[in-house]
Amino acid sequence: EAQVTQNPRYLITVTGKKLTVTCSQNMNHEYMSWYRQDPGLGLRQIYYSMNVEVTDKGDVPEGYKVSRKEKRNFPLILESPSPNQTSLYFCASSFQGDYGYTFGSGTRLTVV
Amino acid sequence: AQSVTQLGSHVSVSEGALVLLRCNYSSSVPPYLFWYVQYPNQGLQLLLKYTTGATLVKGINGFEAEFKKSETSFHLTKPSAHMSDAAEYFCALKRGSTLGRLYFGRGTQLTVWP
Repeated sequence: EAQVTQNPRYLITVTGKKLTVTCSQNMNHEYMSWYRQDPGLGLRQIYYSMNVEVTDKGDVPEGYKVSRKEKRNFPLILESPSPNQTSLYFCASSFQGDYGYTFGSGTRLTVV
Repeated sequence: AQSVTQLGSHVSVSEGALVLLRCNYSSSVPPYLFWYVQYPNQGLQLLLKYTTGATLVKGINGFEAEFKKSETSFHLTKPSAHMSDAAEYFCALKRGSTLGRLYFGRGTQLTVWP
């Protein structure tokens, strides 16, 4: 089944403890992206990647890191999480061009 | 500057009534426009998309949207609401055919009353 898989689905952590949210797609998509969803704000783009080793900042990159060493994987790294990073996170992928984007099921992160 | 504006954060309709969710956009290049639906505790699912060609786009679950360049709008409609349509709906824009940024509106929560 074609899909974007995120792990974990739920995560509670403490301020300052480094964490990684994994994202993997099995569709050979070139494009991958991370979004955070907050009530009343919709989805805001954190980082995106056009292809392996090509990444760029979105609207809210502060406090996040990404890497794209393989085409299928695009992990999101929080080096020192803070409570304002408590949010629902989505990974998405797409072929080049006008195709719609496929989203993962989301990761609900709580930083205390 | 806001690229996508969804008018109305909450819309309520009765079952069987017309559903109209409004989306306006701003883009200096021809836009690609999308509507996504998010059911509780789930990810986003693509309802429909406009890229080029026919301006009336039909999607899944009986939804359709019309691209109106003169009004910079891409409103989502469904002739007859069903209880299962209750969800949050997001309009999104991509500027042209290049990869990169996908801009989302803030979402519209649709409630359907029996």
